[in-house]
Amino acid sequence: AQTVTQSQPEMSVQEAETVTLSCTYDTSESDYYLFWYKQPPSRQMILVIRQEAYKQQNATENRFSVNFQKAAKSFSLKISDSQLGDAAMYFCAYRSAEPDFGNEKLTFGTGTRLTIIP
Amino acid sequence: DSGVTQTPKHLITATGQRVTLRCSPRSGDLSVYWYQQSLDQGLQFLIHYYNGEERAKGNILERFSAQQFPDLHSELNLSSLELGDSALYFCASSVQFTGELFFGEGSRLTVL
Repeated sequence: AQTVTQSQPEMSVQEAETVTLSCTYDTSESDYYLFWYKQPPSRQMILVIRQEAYKQQNATENRFSVNFQKAAKSFSLKISDSQLGDAAMYFCAYRSAEPDFGNEKLTFGTGTRLTIIP
Repeated sequence: DSGVTQTPKHLITATGQRVTLRCSPRSGDLSVYWYQQSLDQGLQFLIHYYNGEERAKGNILERFSAQQFPDLHSELNLSSLELGDSALYFCASSVQFTGELFFGEGSRLTVL
C-alpha cells in the first residue's frame, strides 16, 4: 500500500517570503499522480497543484511550484511571495495512475499547518 | 465551487442516534468517495462507489454504511453514533480512476 508522509506538522513564514513544505511517499508503482491540497479555515479542500510522475518537468501554478524527485520519492511544495490568504493546512496526496481494482482512492499525508506572519 | 454538493453542512445530534449525509457528485462523474476528517487530523478514506456499485472500503466502521443511487448521488449512513464520530465528512467525485478528486464543502457532524 502507498503511504504519504509529511514530517512538518507546522510551519510559519513571513509575509512576502518563500516557504517550502516537504512530502515523501512510498510506492512500488512507476506511474502515479501527486497533489497538494489546501484546507483553509473554511475547511474546503482546494487543489493547489498536481504532478504526473511520468513528466520530468516540475509543475507550477503562479506562486506555487513543486520540486518532484522521483528517485527520492520526494514532492515538496514551494510557495513564493507568501500572502496572508495562504494560511491553511496543506495536504500532500498520492493517487495511482494505473490502479488495481478497488485501489483508486486518494491517499493523504497528515498535513502541515502553515502560518503567515504579517 | 467544485461542483460537488453535500448536505447538510452542519448537523448536531445525540449519542445513539442515526444520521444520513448526502452527496451529489459533479455532473458526469461516476465515482463518489467518502472521507472522514477528525479534529485537526488528516483525511481517512471510508468508501468508494462507482456507478452504483461499491468499489473499495477503507477504515469504515460497521455502524456506517453507504450507497450510490441510479442518479449517482450518494448517501452515507451513520448509526449508533458515538462521541468519537464527531468529524467533518467529505464527499469527493472524479470522472476517471486517475487524476484529482473534487471535494464538496463537507458535512460537519457533532455528536453530543
